[in-house]
This record gives sequence, structure tokens and C-alpha cells, in this order.
Amino acid sequence: GQNIDQPTEMTATEGAIVQINCTYQTSGFNGLFWYQQHAGEAPTFLSYNVLDGLEEKGRFSSFLSRSKGYSYLLLKELQMKDSASYLCAVLDSNYQLIWGAGTKLIIKP
Amino acid sequence: IAGITQAPTSQILAAGRRMTLRCTQDMRHNAMYWYRQDLGLGLRLIHYSNTAGTTGKGEVPDGYSVSRANTDDFPLTLASAVPSQTSVYFCASSDSSSDEQFFGPGTRLTVL
Repeated sequence: GQNIDQPTEMTATEGAIVQINCTYQTSGFNGLFWYQQHAGEAPTFLSYNVLDGLEEKGRFSSFLSRSKGYSYLLLKELQMKDSASYLCAVLDSNYQLIWGAGTKLIIKP
Repeated sequence: IAGITQAPTSQILAAGRRMTLRCTQDMRHNAMYWYRQDLGLGLRLIHYSNTAGTTGKGEVPDGYSVSRANTDDFPLTLASAVPSQTSVYFCASSDSSSDEQFFGPGTRLTVL
């Protein structure tokens, strides 16, 4: 079966750095997405990785290792507004997105 | 304003009733999707449409039907609602040039 694993919940301090991990086992791979979802709102796109390595976009970076079936989202200089759920999703061989259950990130002052 | 709209925002429905959730996008995206999101579970694909006139089944299609008569609209119908269909429903769309999906604001449905 297809499976995407990410921690259920993480806590971090304002101003700090946090890394959210995602491991996947899917039938084929055509890219990995990270989305942010604030409580009661729709998911919004953060990043897309299809090749190995690090993609940096402002305070957010995303890393991919296809051989290890592993990705992480790195958030720097955390702000209170970063409190949200972060969803990892893999585009499988049928170009369907397979979603993880999400990681709820709690930021404390 | 470009984007995806969904209606209604929320609905309480008696079991056995028929319900259609509406979704409209004005970005001229080819593909559209319906997901349900339940606490502790990831987004699960119900049905999708790669282009107007075609639809396909996702991971959890039972009890739901869709149609795609044109590019902009992708309604989801529950023929006879059951309590297990209580969920938040998201519609999304994507363009053929990118696999990024854009989401509507969601419909919170409660079936009693």
C-alpha cells in the first residue's frame, strides 16, 4: 500500500528553527509537495521537490532524498503565525496526490 | 477575483437526504478534485476530473458522485447521506502545466 508518515504534533519556540520530517512509500514518484493549513482554512502551497536536494524559499526550505523516501520542511525564524498544520503529499505514478495526515506545529512565545 | 469557491460553507443534513456540494473555479484549470478531511487522517480523494467531460474515482468514492459538464464547475452529490459522511470537504483544481493544487475554502458537512 501507499504510506506517508509525518509526526502528529511538534512544539517550537518563537524565533527558533524547526524541522518537520516526512517519509513515504508510494507506487511511483513524480514529486513531493508541502502545504500549510491554518485551523479552519484550506491548505495552501508551500513547496515542491522533484529532484534530490534543498529548495529554499525565504524562511522555508524543503529537502528531498528520493533514494531514502524522505523529505523535510525546515522553518527558520519562527513566528507565531507559523502555528499551523503542515501537510506532506507525494504525486504517485498515476499523478494522484497521496497525503500524509499532517503535522500540527505549535509555536510558543 | 480568481480562485475557487465552494457552497455552502457549512450544512447540517438529516441522514437519508440528498445533498449537492458546489465548486466553481475561474482559473480555467483542466483538473479538479474533491477531498474529504477527517481529524487524524490525511486528505482523501473522493473523485477527480482531468478535463471537462471526464471523471474518475479516487480512494473513497462510495456514496458520492460527480459530474463535469464544463471547465469551471465540479459538483459533488451525496445521493443518500449517512453519518459517516460527516466531514470537511475541499474542492481543488490544478493546471496541466503544474501539479500544484489550489484549494477552495471547504464545506463543513454534518450528517445526523
